Amino acid sequence: DIQMTQSPSSLSASLGDRVTITCRASQDIGNYLSWFQQKPGKSPRLMIYGATNLEDGVPSRFSGSRSGSDYSLTISSLESEDTAIYYCLQYDKYPYTFGAGTKLELK
Amino acid sequence: QIQLVQSGPELKKPGESVKISCKASGYTFTDYAMHWVKQAPGKGLKWMGWINTYTGKPTYADDFKGRFVFSLEASASTANLQISNLKNEDTATYFCAREFGVPFDYWGQGVMVTVSS
Repeated sequence: DIQMTQSPSSLSASLGDRVTITCRASQDIGNYLSWFQQKPGKSPRLMIYGATNLEDGVPSRFSGSRSGSDYSLTISSLESEDTAIYYCLQYDKYPYTFGAGTKLELK
Repeated sequence: QIQLVQSGPELKKPGESVKISCKASGYTFTDYAMHWVKQAPGKGLKWMGWINTYTGKPTYADDFKGRFVFSLEASASTANLQISNLKNEDTATYFCAREFGVPFDYWGQGVMVTVSS
């Protein structure tokens, strides 16, 4: 199975900060990588797909990038509504695998 | 509008079975695969597998082979997840989510299944 190593596991940042979350794939997954946002008691929300593509309706302060086997989700200027848990997902090969999650809080 | 509406919370005893549903609306049901994702309390997301809504063929992740069954009521645009011989570790929220190329653009609201004696 492909392992997705997500870091950090938790992150505290201030309003307006630039925030980056990373997932490293244990083998090549191409660009078959998505990012999800989950708020307490809610279903996950697709934010980024294909490593770099912004899902419709997602604010432009969110972006995705790739460098080799490292995939990153960046929030350019943190807003209060961005506090949530973020998960990466590889969908190149079955079984699909999620990262362990990053809990993003306001400082 | 596109919706995946799941059935309500369940409280079961160990050894019992449960069947939860996911009713799709707002799109052609058979155009999108349906996946199932488990989230234990306070834990992360775990992919359980998927069902081809056109052929009805299910595919299960290794940890979900044996007691878990994905099925369809295609005429009702509904996907079902049945879990038999429930164990305490099956206590979780179960989500359905659709895929067509890009996975999980829409999710159900989740069903909380509690297994307790």
